[in-house]
Amino acid sequence: AQKITQTQPGMFVQEKEAVTLDCTYDTSDQSYGLFWYKQPSSGEMIFLIYQGSYDEQNATEGRYSLNFQKARKSANLVISASQLGDSAMYFCAMREYEGGKLIFGQGTELSVKP
Amino acid sequence: EPEVTQTPSHQVTQMGQEVILRCVPISNHLYFYWYRQILGQKVEFLVSFYNNEISEKSEIFDDQFSVERPDGSNFTLKIRSTKLEDSAMYFCASRAPANPRGEQYFGPGTRLTVT
Repeated sequence: AQKITQTQPGMFVQEKEAVTLDCTYDTSDQSYGLFWYKQPSSGEMIFLIYQGSYDEQNATEGRYSLNFQKARKSANLVISASQLGDSAMYFCAMREYEGGKLIFGQGTELSVKP
Repeated sequence: EPEVTQTPSHQVTQMGQEVILRCVPISNHLYFYWYRQILGQKVEFLVSFYNNEISEKSEIFDDQFSVERPDGSNFTLKIRSTKLEDSAMYFCASRAPANPRGEQYFGPGTRLTVT
């Protein structure tokens, strides 16, 4: 069965430093998509970055990059140069097929210290 | 920039009452979803909707739940007889057709409180 695991309930990072949020997944499909979403305290879900299972390069979107290690089934999010506004809950999610539902992990609460 | 909207932002209802949560997806999107998030927990899939019919539903989405796209712009979730355990944030999401990434764009959510 599909599963997403985020083992870090909470993380702290100093402003301007980089931080890595861990995500591992389990699927028997060859074709799937991996996503990261940010949920600030206001509650909305903001799409950050996508990695396809067949993508050979790691995805990058501005200060966000995804460290995709297919053999290890991990899709860690790296945030460079952390800002105070990065303090939020971060969810890793997986989609197994075109148009399919998202399966979410438990989330990691990131706190950025000034 | 187009966005998914949801109304109301907060709904308080008594146990046993019917509620309708409303969503307006992004206009050219064709895939629609409802998710819920119980306070402090992860986001859970409820139902997906495509081509005017349910394409997938979870175990949570029992006979008390229904979805509808009544007029080509709105997408609604109805809970027929609410229970205390239905208290949660409900998110609507939509996705563009022919988008290989398939990212889903979420609305701001409706916080449902059942008393």
